[in-house]
Amino acid sequence: AQTIHQWPVAEIKAVGSPLSLGCTIKGKSSPNLYWYWQATGGTLQQLFYSITVGQVESVVQLNLSASRPKDDQFILSTEKLLLSHSGFYLCAWSLSGGNQDTQYFGPGTRLLVL
Amino acid sequence: GDSVTQMQGQVTLSEDDFLFINCTYSTTWYPTLFWYVQYPGEGPQLLLKVTTANNKGISRGFEATYDKGTTSFHLQKASVQESDSAVYYCVLAHNYAQGLTFGLGTRVSVFP
Repeated sequence: AQTIHQWPVAEIKAVGSPLSLGCTIKGKSSPNLYWYWQATGGTLQQLFYSITVGQVESVVQLNLSASRPKDDQFILSTEKLLLSHSGFYLCAWSLSGGNQDTQYFGPGTRLLVL
Repeated sequence: GDSVTQMQGQVTLSEDDFLFINCTYSTTWYPTLFWYVQYPGEGPQLLLKVTTANNKGISRGFEATYDKGTTSFHLQKASVQESDSAVYYCVLAHNYAQGLTFGLGTRVSVFP
């Protein structure tokens, strides 16, 4: 069975500090990977997706960047946090191939920027 | 661009009531549509997936019907329980960029 792990579970960071959030998928080779952001009480907004190692496409940047250093790992980062970065970050995976496939979400990382 | 609209931001029900959530979508093609459910502090989880091939999905007592003519995608359940309290999202798989477009969500609260 596939499992998706996100780290850290939660972070409190200062404005202007760097950030790195991670996501690991186990039990599935070459998945499509995605990052979403959810403001408190809001809906999900897709940020990035990746269909293969080393390749990441941006949908909405929000002054963030993403990388896929390994087949099973997806990283979201920024060098300088803004207050507007607060929220819930969700990683998701789907089968490689068509874009109609179901996406499976991780438990999320809650970020508070002060 | 593609979009989904959920007009009901909040629905409050008693146990055994009928649940109906309306969703409409806008796109230039015939997409796959999903209903995801999110419980507090968790990531969304798939409730139903409906394609143009089947037009209807049923899972865990929930039923979703996809009407291409009216571009609507409704979710219903005949008899809700307190455990159904959650936020329900109507979701569209778009044909550009690999990813999903989420509606604003409907918060369903069921009281005993």
